[in-house]
Amino acid sequence: GEDVEQSLFLSVREGDSSVINCTYTDSSSTYLYWYKQEPGAGLQLLTYIFSNMDMKQDQRLTVLLNKKDKHLSLRIADTQTGDSAIYFCAYSSASKIIFGSGTRLSIRP
Amino acid sequence: EAQVTQNPRYLITVTGKKLTVTCSQNMNHEYMSWYRQDPGLGLRQIYYSMNVEVTDKGDVPEGYKVSRKEKRNFPLILESPSPNQTSLYFCASRGNTGELFFGEGSRLTVL
Repeated sequence: GEDVEQSLFLSVREGDSSVINCTYTDSSSTYLYWYKQEPGAGLQLLTYIFSNMDMKQDQRLTVLLNKKDKHLSLRIADTQTGDSAIYFCAYSSASKIIFGSGTRLSIRP
Repeated sequence: EAQVTQNPRYLITVTGKKLTVTCSQNMNHEYMSWYRQDPGLGLRQIYYSMNVEVTDKGDVPEGYKVSRKEKRNFPLILESPSPNQTSLYFCASRGNTGELFFGEGSRLTVL
């Protein structure tokens, strides 16, 4: 069935790079998304990638897509305390959009 | 400004009292969808709509209804709310570029 898996927690030191990984099952996905959610807040779209792309970079964010392995990653360079949040991976087919359970990113000083 | 607007943002109600959460988008998007977010479960799709008068069930449709009479609006209806529908609800719309916009969320408590 349709599924998206992410690790639950990630802890990184301030200034280091964070890499959040995601695997999905649906090979017919068209778009893949990364969202950020801070405590008590809504979902902020960080970036998204069309399924025929391998990589997308936007300032400190780099998304890598390995279609063969159905693996998506989000790299955050120079991680700051303001990056502390839950990060959701999601993919969409023509009709459905499936989310992972989220990865909680915490930043150590 | 492009946005998805949900109302109410917060609601406390009692079991069995019908309620509607409204969702409106100003981007002329064809696709709209409702999700609920529960701790540890991420977001689960309740219903979606590919266009006006076209709606379909998501993964957790039980206890919910929707309608799509016009493109901009996609209300979520709880005919007889129960405590297990206490959750954070998000509406979203998506355009042809694939960008998926979310509303700010509606926190519903059913006593």
